[in-house]
Amino acid sequence: DIQMTQSPTSLAASVGESVTITCLASEDIYGSLVWYQQKPGKSPQLLIYGATILEDGIPSRFSGSGSDTQYSLKINSLQPEDFASYYCQNGLSTLFTFGSGTKLEIK
Amino acid sequence: EVQLVESGGGLVQPGRSLKLSCVASGFTFSNYGMNWIRQAPGKGLEWVAYISSGSSYIYYAETVKGRFTISRDNAKNTLYLQMTSLRSEDTALYYCARHGGTSHYFDYWGQGVMVTVSS
Repeated sequence: DIQMTQSPTSLAASVGESVTITCLASEDIYGSLVWYQQKPGKSPQLLIYGATILEDGIPSRFSGSGSDTQYSLKINSLQPEDFASYYCQNGLSTLFTFGSGTKLEIK
Repeated sequence: EVQLVESGGGLVQPGRSLKLSCVASGFTFSNYGMNWIRQAPGKGLEWVAYISSGSSYIYYAETVKGRFTISRDNAKNTLYLQMTSLRSEDTALYYCARHGGTSHYFDYWGQGVMVTVSS
């Protein structure tokens, strides 16, 4: 199985700041990396797929990058509604493993 | 508008069975693969099972293989998860999610249904 190691586990930042969350795959996933946002008590929401492709309706302050085994989610100019948990997901193999998540909190 | 509505959850004793349903609307259900994904209380996401649009391809996480069965009825726009030999570690909120594309992502999620396994 492909393992997804996400870091950091938690992160505190202020409104207006930029943050980066990283995801490391245990093997090359050829850009098949997906990011989700989950707010408390809500279902996850698709943010980015194919490592860099922004889902329709997602603000452009969200961006994804990476290749091979290393991927990142960057959020520019944090807004109050961005404080949530974020998960990466392996979109290559048929065992669709998630990272353990990053909780983004307000500083 | 795409909607996925799960039902069938509840409290069940260890070793017993439970069947979840997910009714889809707002899209052509028979054209999409579907998934079950779960989240234990306070924990992260765990993909459980996938079924292709025509039920030809089915995959399971190792943690549920042999105990859970995913199925679908395209005439009823409904996805199912039959869960047997339930364990305490199966306690979670179970989401159904639409498979978004060949890149294997989940573009629409239901609100989830809670399954609690406890004596």
